[in-house]
Amino acid sequence: SQTIHQWPATLVQPVGSPLSLECTVEGTSNPNLYWYRQAAGRGLQLLFYSVGIGQISSEVPQNLSASRPQDRQFILSSKKLLLSDSGFYLCAWSVASGDVDTQYFGPGTRLTVL
Amino acid sequence: DAKTTQPTSMDCAEGRAANLPCNHSTISGNEYVYWYRQIHSQGPQYIIHGLKNNETNEMASLIITEDRKSSTLILPHATLRDTAVYYCIVRVMEYGNKLVFGAGTILRVKS
Repeated sequence: SQTIHQWPATLVQPVGSPLSLECTVEGTSNPNLYWYRQAAGRGLQLLFYSVGIGQISSEVPQNLSASRPQDRQFILSSKKLLLSDSGFYLCAWSVASGDVDTQYFGPGTRLTVL
Repeated sequence: DAKTTQPTSMDCAEGRAANLPCNHSTISGNEYVYWYRQIHSQGPQYIIHGLKNNETNEMASLIITEDRKSSTLILPHATLRDTAVYYCIVRVMEYGNKLVFGAGTILRVKS
């Protein structure tokens, strides 16, 4: 069966520091991968998605970037964190089956920028 | 993607069926109905989806009206661990098509 991992689970970082969040998927090949952010008490915001290695699409222009160095690895980065980057970061994966493309989420990383 | 309307909150007694309604009157013919839930401080969990027919899996049943303008998620025997925010989403299946969660329904299962 498929499993998605995210780490770290929680992170507290000072403003201006760099960021690297990692997501890996097991048990499937060539998944679509997604990064979402959920701010406190708010809905999901899609940040990036990828349909293959090195293929990244950005939904929201900001100081975050994403990379997919391997088929089942998705990394979210920032060179300098802002206070507004605080939130719950969720990685998701999907594999299309016919005309259905269900997204499955990881456990998330809670980031607090101070 | 079509907009959905859900009640803000619902209570359910432990062991009873929880019936969560969702209105999606502007749904298009190629849009699926999806349900997710999010337990506090965890990632959203996929529950079930459907297009036209009623669906059942090990977690829940999804009843979609014939005109597809509304649906009901049924948890047949709710437990305390089912306490969560439940999101009804209507979306077209496309690569990179983002999930848009509304406010959802807060389901409180009480003993």
